[in-house]
Amino acid sequence: DGGITQSPKYLFRKEGQNVTLSCEQNLNHDAMYWYRQDPGQGLRLIYYSQIVNDFQKGDIAEGYSVSREKKESFPLTVTSAQKNPTAFYLCASSTSGGAGNTEAFFGQGTRLTVV
Amino acid sequence: GDSVTQMEGPVTLSEEAFLTINCTYTATGYPSLFWYVQYPGEGLQLLLKATKADDKGSNKGFEATYRKETTSFHLEKGSVQVSDSAVYFCALYTSGTYKYIFGTGTRLKVLA
Repeated sequence: DGGITQSPKYLFRKEGQNVTLSCEQNLNHDAMYWYRQDPGQGLRLIYYSQIVNDFQKGDIAEGYSVSREKKESFPLTVTSAQKNPTAFYLCASSTSGGAGNTEAFFGQGTRLTVV
Repeated sequence: GDSVTQMEGPVTLSEEAFLTINCTYTATGYPSLFWYVQYPGEGLQLLLKATKADDKGSNKGFEATYRKETTSFHLEKGSVQVSDSAVYFCALYTSGTYKYIFGTGTRLKVLA
């Protein structure tokens, strides 16, 4: 079945460590996105990518990094520079940056906790 | 910049009650509009969408109409069920920005 797979579902990080969240899609979508969700808040955009080997900062990119070496993969690294990384992270994809009449498809999320 | 404002929750209703969740937006250009639903511990699922003015999106008894004159996309359902309890997000997308912008979400709790 086509879809977006995020792994792991739960992740624990010690202070000062970098961690990488995986996001893979087999929908043949060009565009991919990372959002952060905090309790009782909406989704805030971290990074997005419209095409392989290109990505843009979203509203809260500080302390995060991404790569887009393959169309189907868009991993997110939470670095030690992110001061408050505990949150629920959601990855999404859509068909194309120019096709506004299509929805974003979401993965099941990764819950990151700093211990 | 573009933004979405939706009514704060939580919204608590009895089963079979009528539901309205308000959503208004600010955008340059002509956005596509969406409602997503999120169940506990899960990602977001598309509930319905509308791509141009006066379009009505509908799914599973939920409806929303794209009102350009009032920049609104209110979600309605005539008779809610306990299984509709979830968080609902209004969102927009404009091809000029290549981004999906989400509201803060509205938690709905339906009591039997």
